[in-house]
Amino acid sequence: GAVVSQHPSWVICKSGTSVKIECRSLDFQATTMFWYRQFPKQSLMLMATSNEGSKATYEQGVEKDKFLINHASLTLSTLTVTSAHPEDSSFYICSARASSGGASYNEQFFGPGTRLTVL
Amino acid sequence: QKEVEQNSGPLSVPEGAIASLNCTYSDRGSQSFFWYRQYSGKSPELIMSIYSNGDKEDGRFTAQLNKASQYVSLLIRDSQPSDSATYLCAVKRGYKLSFGAGTTVTVRA
Repeated sequence: GAVVSQHPSWVICKSGTSVKIECRSLDFQATTMFWYRQFPKQSLMLMATSNEGSKATYEQGVEKDKFLINHASLTLSTLTVTSAHPEDSSFYICSARASSGGASYNEQFFGPGTRLTVL
Repeated sequence: QKEVEQNSGPLSVPEGAIASLNCTYSDRGSQSFFWYRQYSGKSPELIMSIYSNGDKEDGRFTAQLNKASQYVSLLIRDSQPSDSATYLCAVKRGYKLSFGAGTTVTVRA
């Protein structure tokens, strides 16, 4: 159980285009999903927290107009990188927290990540 | 001061030895503590969680937590080449999970 998928697993795009990344919880409902970014040799940095049916909460320094997050259902959150530039090239990872109680409620289950390369 | 700090590594240990990883955190209000393993090009995989002071063992892994010292550690016993990865310490307060920079472990055969 507790499987999170991401699509696509990798994407290459031209500078100035927009890219949408999907994050799905496959076997549980996720009230809250998180989006992280990881640059090479660095740790994961939280970008934003999305709650189903409400606006995402962005971390300091993350441009909400550039990184659009939609969490329309309990199993799907999307991150759209708008007008992507080479400096946005990174490994984007989502995670999901189960909406029900129990020990697993405290854990975040990570998706496999999406490698974005902007030319 | 970084929220979560780890030994920068890399840490090289022979097969069968014990690998010891350390982590300190700055927020005394932190409630939950996790160790993740991350292989190159992959996303993190949870290997241990610990919530109260003391030791917690799971197979070859033992996590130790000392809230007074704001210190978390991970011991990997009988290290195997498949344990070669980057280990991330993560600390949670409220909804937010903060990660350390990771310690890269290489187990040499």
